[in-house]
Amino acid sequence: GAVVSQHPSWVICKSGTSVKIECRSLDFQATTMFWYRQFPKQSLMLMATSNEGSKATYEQGVEKDKFLINHASLTLSTLTVTSAHPEDSSFYICSARDHQFNEKLFFGSGTQLSVL
Amino acid sequence: KQEVTQIPAALSVPEGENLVLNCSFTDSAIYNLQWFRQDPGKGLTSLLLIQSSQREQTSGRLNASLDKSSGRSTLYIAASQPGDSATYLCAVRGDDKIIFGKGTRLHILP
Repeated sequence: GAVVSQHPSWVICKSGTSVKIECRSLDFQATTMFWYRQFPKQSLMLMATSNEGSKATYEQGVEKDKFLINHASLTLSTLTVTSAHPEDSSFYICSARDHQFNEKLFFGSGTQLSVL
Repeated sequence: KQEVTQIPAALSVPEGENLVLNCSFTDSAIYNLQWFRQDPGKGLTSLLLIQSSQREQTSGRLNASLDKSSGRSTLYIAASQPGDSATYLCAVRGDDKIIFGKGTRLHILP
């Protein structure tokens, strides 16, 4: 099956710094990737939909200037948390849709972000 | 606005029992429904995908059904094992958005 690689798995950073998370589709082209955030014991919450070559579509309440998404190629999307604060500490997961697998979603392994 | 509800929120059953997890959604205009499992601190693993035109999908000990008109899906797990302990999420796709339920935390007692 399709594989989505997400890196890093975990990151600890100081408040005010920026953190970049990468999401790669390894054996398929993903025209659409999704970024989710999950707080402890909560469900996944969609942050934004990323389409290759165009601007991401952000969900209501998600600050586009704080969570920068770049989908420059069919196999790579990045999420940059700018000027991170402790309340940004969360589990971030990306997913990609594979059109050859009946639109099935494949997920990265997630990134645990801890902001001190 | 699509809302996805999963009942129960948590479930503990003895090993070997069959069990059913429920997922309901408010807007029946969906493209597909997907079931995932999530282990603590991990990403999601896709279990079964049901297209809107399908009634059920099976994979090993798992069987997922879909009744679009009533806005319901069930995930049936046969002969449960301790390794099945995880959180199970259903996700509904409509209008290019995927909405997740809050999940059911399943604990299989050895």
